[in-house]
Amino acid sequence: DAGITQSPRHKVTETGTPVTLRCHQTENHRYMYWYRQDPGHGLRLIHYSYGVKDTDKGEVSDGYSVSRSKTEDFLLTLESATSSQTSVYFCAISFRLNTEAFFGQGTRLTVV
Amino acid sequence: DQQVKQNSPSLSVQEGRISILNCDYTNSMFDYFLWYKKYPAEGPTFLISISSIKDKNEDGRFTVFLNKSAKHLSLHIVPSQPGDSAVYFCAASARDSGTYKYIFGTGTRLKVLA
Repeated sequence: DAGITQSPRHKVTETGTPVTLRCHQTENHRYMYWYRQDPGHGLRLIHYSYGVKDTDKGEVSDGYSVSRSKTEDFLLTLESATSSQTSVYFCAISFRLNTEAFFGQGTRLTVV
Repeated sequence: DQQVKQNSPSLSVQEGRISILNCDYTNSMFDYFLWYKKYPAEGPTFLISISSIKDKNEDGRFTVFLNKSAKHLSLHIVPSQPGDSAVYFCAASARDSGTYKYIFGTGTRLKVLA
């Protein structure tokens, strides 16, 4: 299994609070991604990174920000959590162009 | 605007028969396609991929077919086994302004009946 760790694995938070999810990899892969999975929507790309300090928006980036200060860590921040951000969040990594991406175990976030 | 579409939310197949999962895409810049399998409470796991320069790739019981003119790909599982019951996602990759990203479909839930 690819060395990807997501933390926390489960979190319940209140509307309006900031939340940070962490993705840590031990594979030294260049590319990292954050997805959310929702019923009827599949996996939707939130943000991705193509190197340290190099990030870009995905399909559903509103309300989210990311940072990558080290190769191994990619942080996803919900600046002010809303109930619509209740979801399962997956981090993924890939080594180079046209290869598969490997996924973490996911973080289940509930915003109440 | 959904760039990768899986129009069948679910599929049931008898054990031993063929499972065919379909996927359509709209972006002609996609040049690499993947299938993932996902069990409940786990992350998606990579199954098989195909480059746009090929029209078929085979790995054991799994074969992916790509029809570029129709912007369509399919995953064939033969023979289907109960352990294949999972949600299957197709994904496409394209270079975009010097970087690249994977876009996923909405998934098809496969149930293999014993």
